[in-house]
Amino acid sequence: GESVGLHLPTLSVQEGDNSIINCAYSNSASDYFIWYKQESGKGPQFIIDIRSNMDKRQGQRVTVLLNKTVKHLSLQIAATQPGDSAVYFCAETGTASKLTFGTGTRLQVTL
Amino acid sequence: GAVVSQHPSRVICKSGTSVKIECRSLDFQATTMFWYRQFPKQSLMLMATSNEGSKATYEQGVEKDKFLINHASLTLSTLTVTSAHPEDSSFYICSASRSPSGNTIYFGEGSWLTVV
Repeated sequence: GESVGLHLPTLSVQEGDNSIINCAYSNSASDYFIWYKQESGKGPQFIIDIRSNMDKRQGQRVTVLLNKTVKHLSLQIAATQPGDSAVYFCAETGTASKLTFGTGTRLQVTL
Repeated sequence: GAVVSQHPSRVICKSGTSVKIECRSLDFQATTMFWYRQFPKQSLMLMATSNEGSKATYEQGVEKDKFLINHASLTLSTLTVTSAHPEDSSFYICSASRSPSGNTIYFGEGSWLTVV
């Protein structure tokens, strides 16, 4: 079936450096993508989203890039901080609100 | 502040008993809510779509008689795990959409279920 997956299960980044988390999706009909951050024992927290008619969107310290040609999504975090340590999920939806989540990447920020 | 609230946040129950988890949208009406299950170190898996005033739609492989979903009002959906077993121990998370288009999605804080 359709799936959304991540390339790297764990990413270790030094504080202050930039982080890049990648995600591949397989459903070409997906038109809306979201990145979530999940801290241990908590529900997913919205970070940033992007629609399929865009290829880049910026937020505060975060940027999402979408490459529809290769069905690839990435999350860039600038000046990574210890508080950014968490598991990051990409999710896609082609129908209202029904999300398919990727496998997740754990971001570890080292001092 | 939270716009989707789940209760309880943690619950321990004995094998064979049933446990109910509530999901509430606090300041908006949600005709559709979603229930996910997340095992440790794994991703969120959609269990079912909860529709206000109608039957829930279950994903393949999810037993509808075991995981009872009731969406009795526009602000409340409940998930009841019936005849719970230790393998049902998991993190259960709900989400709700704030807009008709469904692209403003809020998640609850999740409910940890431990079956002993």
